[in-house]
Amino acid sequence: AQSVSQHNHHVILSEAASLELGCNYSYGGTVNLFWYVQYPGQHLQLLLKYFSGDPLVKGIKGFEAEFIKSKFSFNLRKPSVQWSDTAEYFCAVTSGGSNDYKLSFGAGTTVTVRA
Amino acid sequence: NAGVTQTPKFRVLKTGQSMTLLCAQDMNHEYMYWYRQDPGMGLRLIHYSVGEGTTAKGEVPDGYNVSRLKKQNFLLGLESAAPSQTSVYFCASSYSSSGGLAKNIQYFGAGTRLSVL
Repeated sequence: AQSVSQHNHHVILSEAASLELGCNYSYGGTVNLFWYVQYPGQHLQLLLKYFSGDPLVKGIKGFEAEFIKSKFSFNLRKPSVQWSDTAEYFCAVTSGGSNDYKLSFGAGTTVTVRA
Repeated sequence: NAGVTQTPKFRVLKTGQSMTLLCAQDMNHEYMYWYRQDPGMGLRLIHYSVGEGTTAKGEVPDGYNVSRLKKQNFLLGLESAAPSQTSVYFCASSYSSSGGLAKNIQYFGAGTRLSVL
């Protein structure tokens, strides 16, 4: 299994602040990258994904992430957060190729947005 | 369209008791997965299935068994529960398509919170 590291365990910020969550993975080959979000009391939802092409991907709710291959990173960003962005965020990776469908998850980052 | 449904939502067991968690999906997905979520550890894959009648071990399979008798259902069993199995359990499912990459997008249920005393 691959190793996925999320640098921040808990982030607290105010509304309208910018958010950046770090994610690094260990696999050196082709990868597929994901960010999932889990709102309080809810199931995990896909926020965005990267398979190939433009390394800057846009997801739902104003989130974006940038794949930097040389840094083995896939950081999540949002320019201006809202209280409703309070949630736990998970980075996940599969190795590339149509036959590897098993996700390896990071430990998660809890984001608390204060009104 | 319900998506992925897990039952029960909560359960408390005593050490040594057995139980089965049910996952049902109505999206005609081929692939199904069981994960456990523990604080500070993210989600870890317990078992998975790539089709009806097939199952395989994931990262942390010990103490669990699974069955996939019907395409839409994936059952997770604990034969003799232990306190170390206290966790939140998530089921997920994904497509199998000729394009291949669609298998990577997993859809999750709401979770089952299990406490073993």
